[in-house]
Amino acid sequence: KAGVTQTPRYLIKTRGQQVTLSCSPISGHRSVSWYQQTPGQGLQFLFEYFSETQRNKGNFPGRFSGRQFSNSRSEMNVSTLELGDSALYLCASRKELNTEAFFGQGTRLTVV
Amino acid sequence: AQTVTQSQPEMSVQEAETVTLSCTYDTSENNYYLFWYKQPPSRQMILVIRQEAYKQQNATENRFSVNFQKAAKSFSLKISDSQLGDTAMYFCAFDLNTDKLIFGTGTRLQVFP
Repeated sequence: KAGVTQTPRYLIKTRGQQVTLSCSPISGHRSVSWYQQTPGQGLQFLFEYFSETQRNKGNFPGRFSGRQFSNSRSEMNVSTLELGDSALYLCASRKELNTEAFFGQGTRLTVV
Repeated sequence: AQTVTQSQPEMSVQEAETVTLSCTYDTSENNYYLFWYKQPPSRQMILVIRQEAYKQQNATENRFSVNFQKAAKSFSLKISDSQLGDTAMYFCAFDLNTDKLIFGTGTRLQVFP
């Protein structure tokens, strides 16, 4: 059974650009969550999607957005990149509420 | 606001010994789930152990066990017979039944031979 797949693994972008990160959950999992991990702020929840609907959102500016497709794959988009957006972005999938969250290996985004 | 505190930024232990990682949390809710996740240098978060707040019995998973004290809002992780492969960042987290994990700042564990 394939795990959670995040692409790309590494990304370098320039300030002001936008970026799209992709997450393919484990087959059969309908919930996908996104987290930002930085040395200063630690792990912070971005948003969660279930069956194409955003159910929960963290305290991030509107530059951070996401969506989920009918096959449960999810994308997150960050527009007008800032240096502070440099982070490891982790995606997690769950089969249903309160079950184990399985994480991908993350996308390391560097903004220069 | 819900918070998770891990007061030990770094810990070290000798191979085969036992180590305990501390975690406290703050919530006014009564129904929630607690987790310990491990993040090795490969960056992938791996679930170590899970505890439902309504269960009084402490969860165990092979060499890993927890000491869950609901009244004290404490959730420590004990690793017995430590192995070199246990070297990683360990994160305590809880979930208020919303699929939103709230993480602590992590404890870096180093296992020495």
